[in-house]
Amino acid sequence: AQSVTQLGSHVSVSEGALVLLRCNYSSSVPPYLFWYVQYPNQGLQLLLKYTSAATLVKGINGFEAEFKKSETSFHLTKPSAHMSDAAEYFCAVSPSGFQKLVFGTGTRLLVSP
Amino acid sequence: NAGVTQTPKFQVLKTGQSMTLQCAQDMNHNSMYWYRQDPGMGLRLIYYSASEGTTDKGEVPNGYNVSRLNKREFSLRLESAAPSQTSVYFCASSESGSGNTIYFGEGSWLTVV
Repeated sequence: AQSVTQLGSHVSVSEGALVLLRCNYSSSVPPYLFWYVQYPNQGLQLLLKYTSAATLVKGINGFEAEFKKSETSFHLTKPSAHMSDAAEYFCAVSPSGFQKLVFGTGTRLLVSP
Repeated sequence: NAGVTQTPKFQVLKTGQSMTLQCAQDMNHNSMYWYRQDPGMGLRLIYYSASEGTTDKGEVPNGYNVSRLNKREFSLRLESAAPSQTSVYFCASSESGSGNTIYFGEGSWLTVV
């Protein structure tokens, strides 16, 4: 079965610091991978997705993620955190040929001044 | 831009009561989904509908039923609510085919007492 593991339920950074949120996937076939963001009391919004084109994927709000098959990873980064980035971030996998998303447990990003 | 609309946004039920969560999308998507979100567990798929007239169980279908009323609408019914069904429920939709972005509604907060 396909799955994703997000390391760290909470990550704290200072404003202006590098953001790194980790995601590792388990899949026997090349998957589609997604990062979603959830602001308080809102639904989920797509940040970016990997669909087997470029391995470095750029998303909204300055975020990007790199697909590394050898490490089965799809970590999310942003060079400089902003206060408005404080939210919960979910990594998700959609096995090739299936539409359903399987989500990780989420990482809450805290940004301090 | 309505996107995916869910009602109600908040509901308190007594154990054993029934209720239906309504969902409608205006993006002409074939596929629709119901997820539940619980702390520390990410989002888990309850039911999905790949196209009008079809529904399939997801990861946690017990205690729920769904109806794909037409292409736009996909409802989730709790026949006899239990405290374990206290959760935030998200409806979502997407184009057919793997790798397509899944768009989420704002969520419905359900408390069963």
